[in-house]
Amino acid sequence: EDQVTQSPEALRLQEGESSSLNCSYTVSGLRGLFWYRQDPGKGPEFLFTLYSAGEEKEKERLKATLTKKESFLHITAPKPEDSATYLCAVQHGSISSGSARQLTFGSGTQLTVLP
Amino acid sequence: DTAVSQTPKYLVTQMGNDKSIKCEQNLGHDTMYWYKQDSKKFLKIMFSYNNKELIINETVPNRFSPKSPDKAHLNLHINSLELGDSAVYFCASSPRIAVYEQYFGPGTRLTVT
Repeated sequence: EDQVTQSPEALRLQEGESSSLNCSYTVSGLRGLFWYRQDPGKGPEFLFTLYSAGEEKEKERLKATLTKKESFLHITAPKPEDSATYLCAVQHGSISSGSARQLTFGSGTQLTVLP
Repeated sequence: DTAVSQTPKYLVTQMGNDKSIKCEQNLGHDTMYWYKQDSKKFLKIMFSYNNKELIINETVPNRFSPKSPDKAHLNLHINSLELGDSAVYFCASSPRIAVYEQYFGPGTRLTVT
């Protein structure tokens, strides 16, 4: 069964304490992996897309990496404003058959950065 | 300017009622989506429309009926509401089909009592 699993479920960091969030997936025919940030009471906000193993993307204090089985979201020297739930999602399968026309989301990692 | 807007933001209603949620995007995107986010934060696709044409219809009770009057609007009508329909519903859009840099609305929290 296709699955996207994120760990840990929750993570508390002190300001400046770097760490990583994990997104592991068991899907066939990965076409893309997406990271979103969701603030309380708001919709997810797109962060990154990764398409192939070895690819990396960076934005401010965030860096996303991809292997054949998982993706990491590295947070360097986080600040309190980085507190949010981080969601990963995968696109997989065939566009012509329709299976790749949607995303499968993980349940997210709730990150809290304490001042 | 809000890119993807939804109304209402909160909806409290009783079992058996019929309600609608409206969504509009001003990004000029071709594709729009409805997602349901349950209490465990899982986002699950319900429907997708591309240029007013239904392209994804997941296993959703037929009490849920999407309608897209034009490519900037995608509304969700729910008949005979049940307790299990309580969730946050998100509308999203993307430039075209199979492009997943999706832009989400603020969500509608539906509570069925």
